[in-house]
Amino acid sequence: GGIITQTPKFLIGQEGQKLTLKCQQNFNHDTMYWYRQDSGKGLRLIYYSITENDLQKGDLSEGYDASREKKSSFSLTVTSAQKNEMAVFLCASSIGGLQDTQYFGPGTRLLVL
Amino acid sequence: DAKTTQPDSMESTEGETVHLPCSHATISGNEYIYWYRQVPLQGPEYVTHGLQQNTTNSMAFLAIASDRKSSTLILPHVSLRDAAVYHCILNSGGSNYKLTFGKGTLLTVTP
Repeated sequence: GGIITQTPKFLIGQEGQKLTLKCQQNFNHDTMYWYRQDSGKGLRLIYYSITENDLQKGDLSEGYDASREKKSSFSLTVTSAQKNEMAVFLCASSIGGLQDTQYFGPGTRLLVL
Repeated sequence: DAKTTQPDSMESTEGETVHLPCSHATISGNEYIYWYRQVPLQGPEYVTHGLQQNTTNSMAFLAIASDRKSSTLILPHVSLRDAAVYHCILNSGGSNYKLTFGKGTLLTVTP
């Protein structure tokens, strides 16, 4: 088995601030994902990466940057936090290839004051 | 548009066997049926998945209709720890890596 670790668990930011969220996995999975989950809504894909140094935009990439410098880690940057924004950011990973099971981390909860 | 339909909520008592239904009438031939569950303050947890045949693992039994237009997740002898929102989703992989979650079914388990 393996585990996905997300840091920090809670993040409070100021409007306009650049905020970085980190994700680590020890599954040795090739593909990693960042999703956003808003209260009462489903998941929306922000970015994914199918291998080290690869980046693919999802449906919600505007306002975010991502970085995959190592196979085991995938970071997400909120380029300019929006006032009163509140969401959960979920990192996931999968072996790679078609129809692979995605395993999720516990999430980072963001609140922008 | 959601490709799966699930009841908003279901209730059960500890020790019961729970049947969670999911309708996916427009499922494509290459789409797998995945089930995840999620509790507050946690990320989604993988439960099981299948394509055509029924599948079983330590968590649940997945029954898939012969026409694949519906499936049922069967949780034997539920405990309080099984209380969660259960999501039935379709995943075709390919160039579309994203998982699309709907509202799911909120399963309540009482002692």
